Amino acid sequence: KQEVTQIPAALSVPEGENLVLNCSFTDSAIYNLQWFRQDPGKGLTSLLLIQSSQREQTSGRLNASLDKSSGRSTLYIAASQPGDSATYLCAVSAGGTSYGKLTFGQGTILTVHP
Amino acid sequence: DADVTQTPRNRITKTGKRIMLECSQTKGHDRMYWYRQDPGLGLRLIYYSFDVKDINKGEISDGYSVSRQAQAKFSLSLESAIPNQTALYFCATSAPGQGGWKETQYFGPGTRLLVL
Repeated sequence: KQEVTQIPAALSVPEGENLVLNCSFTDSAIYNLQWFRQDPGKGLTSLLLIQSSQREQTSGRLNASLDKSSGRSTLYIAASQPGDSATYLCAVSAGGTSYGKLTFGQGTILTVHP
Repeated sequence: DADVTQTPRNRITKTGKRIMLECSQTKGHDRMYWYRQDPGLGLRLIYYSFDVKDINKGEISDGYSVSRQAQAKFSLSLESAIPNQTALYFCATSAPGQGGWKETQYFGPGTRLLVL
C-alpha cells in the first residue's frame, strides 16, 4: 500500500525567505506526482505535476523535483510572500489497480509573515 | 462560475440521520471522486466513478454510499451519520488524458460536515 509522508507538518518563515517542503512515498511505481495548494474555504488547486519520467517542473517561483528511485520530492518556493500562506499537499498517482487514484500526504501548513 | 460545485457548503446533523452531499461539474469529465479530509491525515478516497455505469469503493467506503446520476453529478450519502464522520468532504473530477501520465484532478470547494 502506497504511503505518502510530508515534512515538516508546519513551517513559519519571514517574507522573502526561500524554503523547501519535502514529500516521500513508499512505492516508486508511480505515474506522476503532484503538488497542490489548499486555501481555507476553498478546494485544492494543482500547482505542479511531474510525470514519472521527469526530474523537475517549474512554474514562476515554484520548482518541484522528483527522485523516483529514492521515493522523494521537494517543492522549492523562492522569495516567499504572505500570499503563499496555505497548506501544501503532495499526491502520487499510480497504475495498475490504482490507476487514476491519488494518494495524498498529510500536508504542510505554511505561514509567511510580513 | 466554478467548474466543480458542492452543496451544501456546511452541514450540521445529528447521529443517525441520513444526509446527502451533492457534487456537480461543468468540465465534461467522465471521472469523479469523493474524498474526506481529517486534520493531520490528508485526503482519503471514499468512492470513485470512471463513468456513469462505473462505481468503485475507495480506501474508506464503510458507512457511505454514492450515486452517479449523470456524467455531471455524483452524490455521496451517509445512511446513518455518526460523529466520526465529522470531516471536510471534497468532490473532484478528472479526464484520463495521455494514458494517465498528465492526469490531474480538479476539486470542488468542499463541504464541512459536523455530526453531533
